[in-house]
Amino acid sequence: DAKTTQPPSMDCAEGRAANLPCNHSTISGNEYVYWYRQIHSQGPQYIIHGLKNNETNEMASLIITEDRKSSTLILPHATLRDTAVYYCIVRSSGSNTGKLIFGQGTTLQVKP
Amino acid sequence: DVKVTQSSRYLVKRTGEKVFLECVQDMDHENMFWYRQDPGLGLRLIYFSYDVKMKEKGDIPEGYSVSREKKERFSLILESASTNQTSMYLCASRTGTGHYNEQFFGPGTRLTVL
Repeated sequence: DAKTTQPPSMDCAEGRAANLPCNHSTISGNEYVYWYRQIHSQGPQYIIHGLKNNETNEMASLIITEDRKSSTLILPHATLRDTAVYYCIVRSSGSNTGKLIFGQGTTLQVKP
Repeated sequence: DVKVTQSSRYLVKRTGEKVFLECVQDMDHENMFWYRQDPGLGLRLIYFSYDVKMKEKGDIPEGYSVSREKKERFSLILESASTNQTSMYLCASRTGTGHYNEQFFGPGTRLTVL
């Protein structure tokens, strides 16, 4: 599975969009990009995933560059409850173990 | 909603004790996982199970064993707890079919070994 690089921390004002970047320059053709987040003292929570097209759900949008070497998770209107560590994970659709490799993630602090 | 529950949120044990961490999921998921989470090291996979009575070692299985006698329950066992096993332990489950890899995590058990 390809390695990902994320900034260690980011701040965002409440009500504004939070844009969290992720680099995955060694991603291969059958690898998906997944985003999870972990709110303090809780287990990680799935947010969204994608292959090459942009994706949107009720929580967030995922923008993947055309060369697929990077992506951005967008929380359109961040709230204080979005303060968490956000993990970008790349893994192959062919893998049947379900193993996720969590890096260090980005700590997003949403400020009033 | 999928629910993954873990037997304890906080646990304190002594060195050498045998420790059981229990995890139960209610969505008939085939796959279940045990991770530990430590500052600066992220989440690391200890063991996983893709079916009843089936288990596979993860990245850091030393000092741990697991048991899956029923589909909904996956237990992590520390045969003889040591201080370096002080950590947050997270259980997860997922359906075994398809590439869609949403894993559902429990709330975690913070284990302290004295």
